[in-house]
Amino acid sequence: DSGVTQTPKHLITATGQRVTLRCSPRSGDLSVYWYQQSLDQGLQFLIQYYNGEERAKGNILERFSAQQFPDLHSELNLSSLELGDSALYFCASSVEGVVYNEQFFGPGTRLTVL
Amino acid sequence: GEDVEQSLFLSVREGDSSVINCTYTDSSSTYLYWYKQEPGAGLQLLTYIFSNMDMKQDQRLTVLLNKKDKHLSLRIADTQTGDSAIYFCAETASSNYKLTFGKGTLLTVNP
Repeated sequence: DSGVTQTPKHLITATGQRVTLRCSPRSGDLSVYWYQQSLDQGLQFLIQYYNGEERAKGNILERFSAQQFPDLHSELNLSSLELGDSALYFCASSVEGVVYNEQFFGPGTRLTVL
Repeated sequence: GEDVEQSLFLSVREGDSSVINCTYTDSSSTYLYWYKQEPGAGLQLLTYIFSNMDMKQDQRLTVLLNKKDKHLSLRIADTQTGDSAIYFCAETASSNYKLTFGKGTLLTVNP
């Protein structure tokens, strides 16, 4: 158990819908990262937040957005869903400032868009 | 841009050594990592190496880094059936903390 929790574990929805994925980082970790894992693209970095502020952006679509709240939990919002958005979405957290920046991954949310 | 490449499959017999290879393109990579993903689970960091090191050993794991060729390998000694999983090579540059992953190598250990 990494200490990072993600809810829900599974999500099945229809095209055009909007969903919210939730992540609680390890106690004390200020950084949260979101990754998308799909068969064709592999593991792709989406976005990073540090202590409530957006720190880095990767291959995140404009239909997707995220935020980190004062209690440090984070939400990833996916809207106007398409079939191709079906993937495993991972959240990771870390203590920035640690030299090698170990990121601890949650178990993921499996999103299926029908 | 950054790119990390790995072979997709490796099959070994129990007790043999496994060697998983990875190449990367970003010359500013500062840390290189090996993550393990078991079925239905998240990623677990196995080991990492700083870019100014050539080798790192941690129990059954040995990481070799050839910075000139941008080649990283993970050797698992005395491979066990419990080592069957997908192994991801990843890198991060000093300018940011995001991880760039390879597509993963599926290691199958046969009894």
